[in-house]
Amino acid sequence: GIQVEQSPPDLILQEGANSTLRCNFSDSVNNLQWFHQNPWGQLINLFYIPSGTKQNGRLSATTVATERYSLLYISSSQTTDSGVYFCAVELDTDKLIFGTGTRLQVFP
Amino acid sequence: SAVISQKPSRDICQRGTSLTIQCQVDSQVTMMFWYRQQPGQSLTLIATANQGSEATYESGFVIDKFPISRPNLTFSTLTVSNMSPEDSSIYLCSVEPRNEQFFGPGTRLTVL
Repeated sequence: GIQVEQSPPDLILQEGANSTLRCNFSDSVNNLQWFHQNPWGQLINLFYIPSGTKQNGRLSATTVATERYSLLYISSSQTTDSGVYFCAVELDTDKLIFGTGTRLQVFP
Repeated sequence: SAVISQKPSRDICQRGTSLTIQCQVDSQVTMMFWYRQQPGQSLTLIATANQGSEATYESGFVIDKFPISRPNLTFSTLTVSNMSPEDSSIYLCSVEPRNEQFFGPGTRLTVL
């Protein structure tokens, strides 16, 4: 089956720093989403981005479907950005396959 | 988007018992999905629930252990049966009203 790998697995930042999270997938996909799981376990939708680039405030994402990767950029990080970031890909069955996750800790 | 609620939000159960988790969505959807997230791990799809038909289970999950009901287009339940400590996880339901999936707040289950 398809493999979805994220890097780095862990990231520690000081407030104000920028970061790039990567998601690699091993096969063609229909869709790709990025989620933030906050410390209470809630999954928050960040981006629905099967291809191209999108921006939302301090966050932006780029997916290059032909090369099978997606990037999530976080600028001027804040302590509230802490949590786990997941990418998830969708094949032709509406089922999401989640990546391995990146655990982000932002310190003041 | 979609607004999804789950009950209970958390529970502590004894091994050998069963727990039924409810998922309610604020709009009619064709498919509802149930995921499991074991401690420190990513999310894994348990099954897809369609209204009016049997749920479709992923490899490694069986109906006897995780029976699912889908009585209408806004509601579903997942039962975790004959629980063991290995079933301690967060259980989440999700829906995909238009291409993008949205998740409920999850049910945090601890089995002693």
